[in-house]
This record gives sequence, C-alpha cells and structure tokens, in this order.
Amino acid sequence: AQTVTQSQPEMSVQEAETVTLSCTYDTSESDYYLFWYKQPPSRQMILVIRQEAYKQQNATENRFSVNFQKAAKSFSLKISDSQLGDAAMYFCAYRSGPGGGGADGLTFGKGTHLIIQP
Amino acid sequence: DGGITQSPKYLFRKEGQNVTLSCEQNLNHDAMYWYRQDPGQGLRLIYYSQIVNDFQKGDIAEGYSVSREKKESFPLTVTSAQKNPTAFYLCASSPFFGNYGYTFGSGTRLTVV
Repeated sequence: AQTVTQSQPEMSVQEAETVTLSCTYDTSESDYYLFWYKQPPSRQMILVIRQEAYKQQNATENRFSVNFQKAAKSFSLKISDSQLGDAAMYFCAYRSGPGGGGADGLTFGKGTHLIIQP
Repeated sequence: DGGITQSPKYLFRKEGQNVTLSCEQNLNHDAMYWYRQDPGQGLRLIYYSQIVNDFQKGDIAEGYSVSREKKESFPLTVTSAQKNPTAFYLCASSPFFGNYGYTFGSGTRLTVV
C-alpha cells in the first residue's frame, strides 16, 4: 500500500513571499500520478496542480509549481508571490496508474495548514 | 454546469439511528468515492465504486454501507454500528483512467446528538 507523508503540520509566510510545502511518498509502482489539493475554510477541495510520474518536467500552474524528485519520492509544492487567498489546508495525494489500480482511490497526506501573514 | 452535489450540508443523528448522505454527479464519471475527514487525519477512504452495481471497501468501511444503482448516484449510509460517526464526509468522482484528479462535492457535516 502507498503512503503519503506531509511533515509540516503548519507553515506561515509573509504575503508576497515564496513558500514550499513538503511531501514524500512511498510506493513500489513506477506509473502513478501526484496531486496537490487546496482546502480553504469553505472545505471545498480544489485541485491545484498535478504531475505524471513518467514526466521529468516539473508541472507549473501560474504561481504554483512542483519539485518532483522521483528517485527520492519527493513532491514539494512551491507557491510564489503568496496571496491572502492562498491561506488554506494543502493536501498532497497519490493515485496509482492504470496498471496498479488507478481507480482505487487517492491516498492523501494529513495536510499542511498554510497561514499568510499580511 | 457539471459537478457533484452532496446533501444535506449539515446532518444530525441520534444514537442508534441510520442516516444516508446523498451524492449525485453529472460529469459522466465512471468512478465515485466516499472519504471521511477528521481533524489532523487527512482524508480516509470509506468506499469506492468503479462501475454501476459494484463497489469495494476502502480503509475504514466498518459501520458504513453504499449502493451504486445508477452511474450518477452513490449514497452513503452511516449505520448505528459506526461508533464515532461525527465527521466531515466528502464525495468525489473521477474518470476511470488518466491523470485526472478527483472532483469533490462540497461535503456533509454529520454530528451525533
């Protein structure tokens, strides 16, 4: 079974600064997908960014980017130019590829609470 | 617009009662999921269904039951056997294959009174 670990229960950053959230995972699979989700106080889960394991290039979505290190099984999220609206819980998640039960469910880390200081 | 609708938003249950949480999607997704969220625990998988009339237990299925009679609907029943049902419940759906993340509903907050 796969596990996802987020070692930072809470992070704080000044508005307009850059912050990096850590995520590591454990798997024996070679084909999988990784995601970062944002959960604001409304509790709606919002997909922030995704990464396919077979792609070496790190995914980027506007101010959000990842540092995917497959050998180290690390998948950190960098938020540039932090804004007040970025304050939320952030969850890292793992999904197996088609050969490994890809529709069996996402495995989530326990989350990192991100605080933005004005 | 396509999406997932969960109802009700808040639900109160008395001891010994069964309650059913509704989840409906119009995204034509094959797979549907139920997660439970507790403070400090992240999201834990209760049940999932990849196709109509079929479903599998997740990591914490005890005390819960589901059905999948229609592609669009995946209701969750919290039975009296669930000893600690107070939690936030999230329903999600996804295409069967691909790099897709899941689309989530807005959740149901269940409280035992």
